[in-house]
Amino acid sequence: DSGVTQTPKHLITATGQRVTLRCSPRSGDLSVYWYQQSLDQGLQFLIQYYNGEERAKGNILERFSAQQFPDLHSELNLSSLELGDSALYFCASSVSPTRRGTQYFGPGTRLLVL
Amino acid sequence: TQLLEQSPQFLSIQEGENLTVYCNSSSVFSSLQWYRQEPGEGPVLLVTVVTGGEVKKLKRLTFQFGDARKDSSLHITAAQPGDTGLYLCAGALNRDDKIIFGKGTRLHILP
Repeated sequence: DSGVTQTPKHLITATGQRVTLRCSPRSGDLSVYWYQQSLDQGLQFLIQYYNGEERAKGNILERFSAQQFPDLHSELNLSSLELGDSALYFCASSVSPTRRGTQYFGPGTRLLVL
Repeated sequence: TQLLEQSPQFLSIQEGENLTVYCNSSSVFSSLQWYRQEPGEGPVLLVTVVTGGEVKKLKRLTFQFGDARKDSSLHITAAQPGDTGLYLCAGALNRDDKIIFGKGTRLHILP
């Protein structure tokens, strides 16, 4: 158990819909990272928050957004969903503000868009 | 463009055999990490290598960082069914704060 929790574990929805994925980092970790993992693209970095502020952006679509709240939990919002958004979404946390530090991954949310 | 190439993509071998998987790039990394991911779980960090030529051992697993810090290998001795999983390498680029993940090697150890 990494100490990072993600909900829900599974999510099935339809194209055009909007969903919210939730992540609680390890106790004491200020950084939260979001990743998308698909079979063809591998693990892709989406976005990082550090202590409530956006720290770095990766391959995140404009239809996707995230935020980190004062209690340090984070939410990833996916809107106007397309079939190609079906993937595993992972949250990771770390103490460090940089992505070079050790990241601890949650169990992931499996999203299926029908 | 995939900056980190992992090979082989898939590997299925018998219990007790030795194996090596590779992580290659044309880019120089300030550090490189290896993760193992099991089905239904998130990646779990195995090791971080920082210095060119560095070798780290974790029980039956030996990790090596290339002298030029562009590549790495993972060698498993006497593989066991518990070693089954997706092995991911991730490199931290020198020029910015990016971490790049390879697509992984899916390893299956047959009992």
